[in-house]
Amino acid sequence: DVKVTQSSRYLVKRTGEKVFLECVQDMDHENMFWYRQDPGLGLRLIYFSYDVKMKEKGDIPEGYSVSREKKERFSLILESASTNQTSMYLCASSLRGISAGNTIYFGEGSWLTVV
Amino acid sequence: GENVEQHPSTLSVQEGDSAVIKCTYSDSASNYFPWYKQELGKRPQLIIDIRSNVGEKKDQRIAVTLNKTAKHFSLHITETQPEDSAVYFCAASINNNDMRFGAGTRLTVKP
Repeated sequence: DVKVTQSSRYLVKRTGEKVFLECVQDMDHENMFWYRQDPGLGLRLIYFSYDVKMKEKGDIPEGYSVSREKKERFSLILESASTNQTSMYLCASSLRGISAGNTIYFGEGSWLTVV
Repeated sequence: GENVEQHPSTLSVQEGDSAVIKCTYSDSASNYFPWYKQELGKRPQLIIDIRSNVGEKKDQRIAVTLNKTAKHFSLHITETQPEDSAVYFCAASINNNDMRFGAGTRLTVKP
């Protein structure tokens, strides 16, 4: 059974703080993703990575960076948190070959509140 | 890039009725279309998918149809039950490493 684990489920941070959201998957998946989920806006792609040390911008990368030093771990970094980054963040992973039908598996989500 | 639009944003049906959710996509190169169900407080999970070489796929009470010419695909749930209440997301993939989602439909099935 695929497991995508997000280390922090609920965080409260202050404006200007640096925030790290960690994600680990245990199925040797090449692809990893960070999405942001907001009501009425669905799942918006922030960044994805298709290999170690590789990253690609999604639709809303501004204010975020990512790190993939090991295949199983993909970190989302908010360099200077702002209130408009209050949201639910979903990590996901998949085998390479999404268009061939390889499923994306999601973590449980991290609820971030920036005050 | 790919743009996926999903309608309606909310849908309320009586138990036993059918529910239909529709999505359109912009990139004609898209070739894989999954649907995810997200129950309250839980992670999205795949419920059915369809590839571009197929027009329809069915799994018990759920089915998905795809019209490549019109660039739209739909989720059909028959004989709805209260446990079908959730947020449903459509998605489209244009290559091996990228997936874009619709805004979601909140389905409520009233007993």
